[in-house]
Amino acid sequence: DARVTQTPRHKVTEMGQEVTMRCQPILGHNTVFWYRQTMMQGLELLAYFRNRAPLDDSGMPKDRFSAEMPDATLATLKIQPSEPRDSAVYFCASSSVVDHETQYFGPGTRLLVL
Amino acid sequence: AQTVTQSQPEMSVQEAETVTLSCTYDTSESDYYLFWYKQPPSRQMILVIRQEAYKQQNATENRFSVNFQKAAKSFSLKISDSQLGDAAMYFCAYSRLVSFTGTASKLTFGTGTRLQVTL
Repeated sequence: DARVTQTPRHKVTEMGQEVTMRCQPILGHNTVFWYRQTMMQGLELLAYFRNRAPLDDSGMPKDRFSAEMPDATLATLKIQPSEPRDSAVYFCASSSVVDHETQYFGPGTRLLVL
Repeated sequence: AQTVTQSQPEMSVQEAETVTLSCTYDTSESDYYLFWYKQPPSRQMILVIRQEAYKQQNATENRFSVNFQKAAKSFSLKISDSQLGDAAMYFCAYSRLVSFTGTASKLTFGTGTRLQVTL
């Protein structure tokens, strides 16, 4: 049963702390996306990678957010330092040209920054 | 820039009945994909159906079907024989096809329609 996995599923932290979210894309998918969902902004793209290379990170606050793909099976999203306004659900999705680039989403990481 | 509009914040349907959710989009591209995703209270984003813009035939997946009107830039979702498990937030989404690579870009989402299913 191929699916995108994300860890942790829930994270509560204090302002100023570092937060690291991890994503394992579906095996064979070469494109990985990070989205954020909030009540105010809805679903918005933060960054995405193709073949591990960053293609677009224009939606990401550069001063505190960073996204990487150390290898084809792992994508990470880091926030340092975290702020209360970063509280949201963070989704990872992956896709492949073989499946018409349909994006399949992970379960999300629900982040609360106090 | 591409935009996706869902003008119905909430809809309600009785069990076993049919409901149609509306979606319009704006783009200058000719090649793109359109999607409907379902988000139940668990917050998981679940793919419901996909439509390639170059296909004239409307996509269907079991009880779910779309009415794709390319000229009108309209992409509605019809749910037949509604079930209690269909209750969720439904998002319409657009993805541009990058012609020189044959790959797709990010998803642009609408604001969602919350569907309630009543007995």
